[in-house]
Amino acid sequence: SYELTQAPSVSVSPGQTASISCSGDQLGEKYVCWYQQRPGQSPVVVMYEDDKRPSGIPERFSGSNSGNTATLTISGTQPMDEADYYCQAWDPTTAVFGGGTKLTVL
Amino acid sequence: EVQLEQSGAEVKKPGQSLKISCRGSGYIFRNYWIAWVRQMPGKGLEWMGIVYPGDSDTRYNPSFKGQVTISVDTSINAAYLQWNSLRVSDTAKYYCATRTGDHGWFDPWGQGTLVTVSS
Repeated sequence: SYELTQAPSVSVSPGQTASISCSGDQLGEKYVCWYQQRPGQSPVVVMYEDDKRPSGIPERFSGSNSGNTATLTISGTQPMDEADYYCQAWDPTTAVFGGGTKLTVL
Repeated sequence: EVQLEQSGAEVKKPGQSLKISCRGSGYIFRNYWIAWVRQMPGKGLEWMGIVYPGDSDTRYNPSFKGQVTISVDTSINAAYLQWNSLRVSDTAKYYCATRTGDHGWFDPWGQGTLVTVSS
């Protein structure tokens, strides 16, 4: 079965750039989306189709996908961005989530 | 506003049955796939399966096939996740979410239903 791999944790200082990666075999040939899940809340999509931001998501969020790696980048990270982030893709009729990355802003 | 409203928390004993629900509003319910996602305590998201309300076409993650049943009732805009015999390991929060767009991201999500299975 298809697998997406994420680092368990990433730390960033406020105002700096956070990069959260997601790797999978030929992932660049699939569309990737990203979800943010704050403690005790439901996931929210922050990026879809690799690099598209839903309305209401701040411009500091951006995405890319090429080769075997997709990346969610948060520029000027704010304390409110501290959350778990999950990547997701389809293979091809099964949805697959990455294991999640806990972003700590300190 | 598109919303998914899930049924309340459940506490069950091993071996009992359970059916939890997810009701959609603010959109044409039968036109969008609805997925179920499991999140075990302190763990990540796991896709369980998906149903298309328009024709009840249902797909399962092989890891969950035979363990749960996904169904839908379009007369009340509801999707369901059902167990015939719960296990302690089914303890988790279960989310429903609408599959959106040509390439299938999940938005919005329900608030989640916490299922606790304990003897």
